[in-house]
Amino acid sequence: AQSVTQLDSQVPVFEEAPVELRCNYSSSVSVYLFWYVQYPNQGLQLLLKYLSGSTLVKGINGFEAEFNKSQTSFHLRKPSVHISDTAEYFCAVSERNAGNMLTFGGGTRLMVKP
Amino acid sequence: GAVVSQHPSRVICKSGTSVKIECRSLDFQATTMFWYRQFPKQSLMLMATSNEGSKATYEQGVEKDKFLINHASLTLSTLTVTSAHPEDSSFYICSARKTGYVTEAFFGQGTRLTVV
Repeated sequence: AQSVTQLDSQVPVFEEAPVELRCNYSSSVSVYLFWYVQYPNQGLQLLLKYLSGSTLVKGINGFEAEFNKSQTSFHLRKPSVHISDTAEYFCAVSERNAGNMLTFGGGTRLMVKP
Repeated sequence: GAVVSQHPSRVICKSGTSVKIECRSLDFQATTMFWYRQFPKQSLMLMATSNEGSKATYEQGVEKDKFLINHASLTLSTLTVTSAHPEDSSFYICSARKTGYVTEAFFGQGTRLTVV
C-alpha cells in the first residue's frame, strides 16, 4: 500500500515570492505522481503529473515539480506566486498496477499575502 | 475535453431522507468512477470504486447499504446517501477515468451535502 505525506499543512508567502510545497511518498512498487489544486467549494484541478521520463515536470499556472526517486519526493515549486494561487494543494500517488486509484496527502493550504 | 459534471453542487436535506448525487462524464466514456468524501480542512478519502455494469467496491469502513452506488452507463454514476444523518454532512467528490487510460482521472466540482 502507498502513502503520501505533505509536511506542511499551511504555507504563508508574500506575493511574487517563490514557494515550495513538499510531498513525500512511500510505495513498494513504481508509482505515478500528481499535484492537484482545489479552490473553495470546488473539485480538484490537475496541475501536473509524473508518469515516466524526465524527472522535472512542468504544469499549468507556472508550477513545476521534480521527482526524486532516492528521496521518494515530489515537491511542487513556483518561482513567483500570485494572490490567485491561494488555494489547497494536494499531492497524490497511484501505483502503476492499481488502475488509477489515487491516495492523497493531507493537503497544504497556500496563503499568498499582498 | 474530459469534463466531469456533478449534480447538485449543494443540497440540504432533512434527517432520515435520502439524497442522490450524480456524476457524469460529459465528453468521454468512463468505465471506472471513484467517489470521495472530504471533511472540512481535510484530505479526500476514497469511499468506493464504481465500475460500469458491476457492483461497486467499497473501502474498509464505508457502509455499502448507507452509500448506494450505481454505475449504469459509461457516462453516469450515482451515489445515494440513504437515511441521511447530520454526521453524513460533508463534501462529496467524484472522479472519472477515461476508458483505456489508466494514468489520469478527472474530477467533478463536488457536492456539499448538509443534513439538518
